[in-house]
Amino acid sequence: GEDVEQSLFLSVREGDSSVINCTYTDSSSTYLYWYKQEPGAGLQLLTYIFSNMDMKQDQRLTVLLNKKDKHLSLRIADTQTGDSAIYFCAESPILTGGGNKLTFGTGTQLKVEL
Amino acid sequence: DSGVTQTPKHLITATGQRVTLRCSPRSGDLSVYWYQQSLDQGLQFLIQYYNGEERAKGNILERFSAQQFPDLHSELNLSSLELGDSALYFCASSTRSGGTDTQYFGPGTRLTVL
Repeated sequence: GEDVEQSLFLSVREGDSSVINCTYTDSSSTYLYWYKQEPGAGLQLLTYIFSNMDMKQDQRLTVLLNKKDKHLSLRIADTQTGDSAIYFCAESPILTGGGNKLTFGTGTQLKVEL
Repeated sequence: DSGVTQTPKHLITATGQRVTLRCSPRSGDLSVYWYQQSLDQGLQFLIQYYNGEERAKGNILERFSAQQFPDLHSELNLSSLELGDSALYFCASSTRSGGTDTQYFGPGTRLTVL
């Protein structure tokens, strides 16, 4: 089955690094995603990682994948107040019939304090 | 701006009524997806259409239906509305249909059922 879990809250100080964690259950997932949702806004794709990779870096964002433990993390370097938002981890399991869907975690609310 | 548009932005209606939510995908995208975001259920996949055909189905109620038109825009119809249908409804689009295809989300339609 598909289940994605995240911690609900994270508070960091401006300038520090933030690490948001996620565990997933479906080992067939080919891609794993991180989306950001600001208050009253839609879902913004931040980054994604292919399941055969261990790490992906994109400017201030670093994604680490431990496929054995089904654990995904998103590190945000030099966190800014503009990074305050809800961050969703999502897996994309392989579906019979060739379709596509995302299974989302509960979201982690990141609060950046001055 | 993801390039996915959704109308209306807000919708307020009464129990028992029927509403239609509209989505236009990014230029060139053939797949459209619908998701529901509510406080108690989180973000849930409802349904996917690819080039006019239903491709994947999630936790979509029988009172809900969707379709994708020849110009690739999609509509989500919600009928016999209940209080619990109040939620944010997102549309997403992607180029193709498979599990390796990245989904880009629209800004959402907030539905309030009174």
